[in-house]
Amino acid sequence: GAVVSQHPSWVICKSGTSVKIECRSLDFQATTMFWYRQFPKQSLMLMATSNEGSKATYEQGVEKDKFLINHASLTLSTLTVTSAHPEDSSFYICSAKPGLATTGELFFGEGSRLTVL
Amino acid sequence: RKEVEQDPGPFNVPEGATVAFNCTYSNSASQSFFWYRQDCRKEPKLLMSVYSSGNEDGRFTAQLNRASQYISLLIRDSKLSDSATYLCVVNSQAGGTYKYIFGTGTRLKVLA
Repeated sequence: GAVVSQHPSWVICKSGTSVKIECRSLDFQATTMFWYRQFPKQSLMLMATSNEGSKATYEQGVEKDKFLINHASLTLSTLTVTSAHPEDSSFYICSAKPGLATTGELFFGEGSRLTVL
Repeated sequence: RKEVEQDPGPFNVPEGATVAFNCTYSNSASQSFFWYRQDCRKEPKLLMSVYSSGNEDGRFTAQLNRASQYISLLIRDSKLSDSATYLCVVNSQAGGTYKYIFGTGTRLKVLA
């Protein structure tokens, strides 16, 4: 299957700092990538849809100025958590799918576990 | 109402048991459906896609009922290694965009 790589896997930062998470599609091009957040014992919540070459589409309740998404190439999307606070501590997972079809299997990165002290 | 709903469980079943999970979705225009499996602190991995005619993969059978807007997953002869959270995923499109919405997940624990 297709491979999506996410980095870093773990990050611990101080409150008020910014953290960047990278999501790469290693063996396919992805015009669209999805960013999810998962709190303990909860499901994945879609945060935003990252579109190559254009602005991301954010879900209701997700602050676009806090969670900056950049999808500068067909294989890389980044999520920057700005001015992180302890309540931003969570498991962030990106996903993508090969091809231009709007259906089909999603492939996930390994996830990034953020802890804000 | 949530877009995709599942019973969170947990379902505790003995080895060899048959267990079934249901998932309901609210968007009648949803186009594709999946079951993903997530192990603790790991990313989700596709278990199987769900087709209108129903489909089977070994001990796993998935069904889709569009009229009632639910999908199901049946696991036969449960193994200890089946212990995980099973996520129902629905793909919907609107206004030229599409997204994948996850259910809350159903936790399964298979007991020896």
